[in-house]
Amino acid sequence: DAGVIQSPRHEVTEMGQEVTLRCKPISGHDYLFWYRQTMMRGLELLIYFNNNVPIDDSGMPEDRFSAKMPNASFSTLKIQPSEPRDSAVYFCASSLRGQEAFFGQGTRLTVV
Amino acid sequence: GENVEQHPSTLSVQEGDSAVIKCTYSDSASNYFPWYKQELGKGPQLIIDIRSNVGEKKDQRIAVTLNKTAKHFSLHITETQPEDSAVYFCAASIRSANAGGTSYGKLTFGQGTILTVHP
Repeated sequence: DAGVIQSPRHEVTEMGQEVTLRCKPISGHDYLFWYRQTMMRGLELLIYFNNNVPIDDSGMPEDRFSAKMPNASFSTLKIQPSEPRDSAVYFCASSLRGQEAFFGQGTRLTVV
Repeated sequence: GENVEQHPSTLSVQEGDSAVIKCTYSDSASNYFPWYKQELGKGPQLIIDIRSNVGEKKDQRIAVTLNKTAKHFSLHITETQPEDSAVYFCAASIRSANAGGTSYGKLTFGQGTILTVHP
């Protein structure tokens, strides 16, 4: 398996624009997580899904953030409108039955 | 909610020396404590974990110890090598068993330790 695949690897966008981050989990995994990593706040869980259903979105910072998982092999994290303080590395991770979480390479987002 | 404190924030050692990273947690119900290694430009990768029913676990040069009474756990790396240089994160969560196996418990991460091993 190629592991968790995220795209794009890097994204630079202007403030106010919509940003969509994409994730393909490891085939067969039933949990999917979105994390944000910054120097100030470290690794934060934004939202996680179990069997494509959002279970806990209490980490989503604002209504500008939304996440979907239309099927078992794809998830998106959308920010609309984006702001400079959203600049961070966003990680997607997947897990089988709540065991070890495998992380993707991350998407480095810069909002200017 | 759970709070995890990690120290030191940076650690510099000579190749062959040992490195120790310490974490404390606040929620006495936490029962699962993984350690992750993050190399530059990559996502965190699980290197070792420990559950609350054991006090120590070893895997080659890496060991983790847990003191539930004091609510702290530590990562020990012996005979360090330059390729051990990375950022290390501890985490804590509450895991419970269900009919399908183990249910996910939200991971709370420490702030990370930048380990540099000098050749």
